[in-house]
Amino acid sequence: NAGVMQNPRHLVRRRGQEARLRCSPMKGHSHVYWYRQLPEEGLKFMVYLQKENIIDESGMPKERFSAEFPKEGPSILRIQQVVRGDSAAYFCASSPPSIGNTIYFGEGSWLTVV
Amino acid sequence: KNEVEQSPQNLTAQEGEFITINCSYSVGISALHWLQQHPGGGIVSLFMLSSGKKKHGRLIATINIQEKHSSLHITASHPRDSAVYICAVGKSSGDKLTFGTGTRLAVRP
Repeated sequence: NAGVMQNPRHLVRRRGQEARLRCSPMKGHSHVYWYRQLPEEGLKFMVYLQKENIIDESGMPKERFSAEFPKEGPSILRIQQVVRGDSAAYFCASSPPSIGNTIYFGEGSWLTVV
Repeated sequence: KNEVEQSPQNLTAQEGEFITINCSYSVGISALHWLQQHPGGGIVSLFMLSSGKKKHGRLIATINIQEKHSSLHITASHPRDSAVYICAVGKSSGDKLTFGTGTRLAVRP
């Protein structure tokens, strides 16, 4: 059973370009969380999704950021018109649908905006 | 004030020493997680606690719900234990996690 898979691991974008980060949760997991870790800062919650639904997006910046978790395929975190301040590590985590708190993290996607 | 506070922020130890990292939180929780992150690396879940104590190898985690406090202990520390250790809490089942700022541990041979 593969773990939480994130890709790309490293992504370089020029200012103004779009970044798309993908996350495939563990098999059987229907809950996906995205967290961001800015340089020299702690992890911060961005968004919580279940299949085809956004449950909590209270941590998402109001502009340029969006997330989806379609019925088929991975969850996507999309950042439009990237700026240098978007440079960070973006971590995806997943958990199973049953009640409980087990959570598994991916290896992270490191975005660098030049 | 952060909802999750860790201490110390940085810790240097000699190989073989017993290490304790502390975490205090100010909100009601359903579970507390201890996570490990190596430089430039992913995040590994070490423990998930809702009460009592758990042990895995040289690692021990305890939680006191009444005092809103948890500790992570490393016995017989080794240079490969050098990493950032992060405390995180979930307020309810399935809820997002709130993280401490982490404790950077360096174990010298």
